[in-house]
Amino acid sequence: QKEVEQNSGPLSVPEGAIASLNCTYSDRGSQSFFWYRQYSGKSPELIMFIYSNGDKEDGRFTAQLNKASQYVSLLIRDSQPSDSATYLCAVVSNFGNEKLTFGTGTRLTIIP
Amino acid sequence: DADVTQTPRNRITKTGKRIMLECSQTKGHDRMYWYRQDPGLGLQLIYYSFDVKDINKGEISDGYSVSRQAQAKFSLSLESAIPNQTALYFCATSEGLAIDTQYFGPGTRLTVL
Repeated sequence: QKEVEQNSGPLSVPEGAIASLNCTYSDRGSQSFFWYRQYSGKSPELIMFIYSNGDKEDGRFTAQLNKASQYVSLLIRDSQPSDSATYLCAVVSNFGNEKLTFGTGTRLTIIP
Repeated sequence: DADVTQTPRNRITKTGKRIMLECSQTKGHDRMYWYRQDPGLGLQLIYYSFDVKDINKGEISDGYSVSRQAQAKFSLSLESAIPNQTALYFCATSEGLAIDTQYFGPGTRLTVL
């Protein structure tokens, strides 16, 4: 079982709709959870991090964490064509060591 | 100017050649990382360094070595390049807090023929 799993997609969402990206992780001791966005051929850039159960909102983005289910998601409201990218989920699995373990990413396409 | 820079940005080399990828940062971060990215495999950690005197192997360190010349510089070497090391390589830095953001360089696209 991979430590961090994501559906590779592609996920196609109409412009203006809500895009929902999901990630599961295997280490129950995981402490911090990150969502990175990566445009093709570019470097990953941080969108959000979350470490407490529940929702965290930042503009059009909402991260949701459920530690009991070992599940973290990213919602993108009012999706725009510029949101088309690969979204990487990353988890700090070993508190005190602060190494990020990345999922393989979900490719999102927003259809105008 | 970019906070994390990588040189070269693109490199084509031949099997068996030694090659060095360099990373420099102006963010003042202690922690630096080297990742490789292959299509469909996500980012895999090669080596990481929490300070100048601390070097640690990541998931896929075989065939690679690193040098932390200063707080701001972290180099990755392929002693004898092989074709399956063809990939996109990223350097990243972080402050080293419990909840931490990693900042990535622009990447080096390496092709080994």
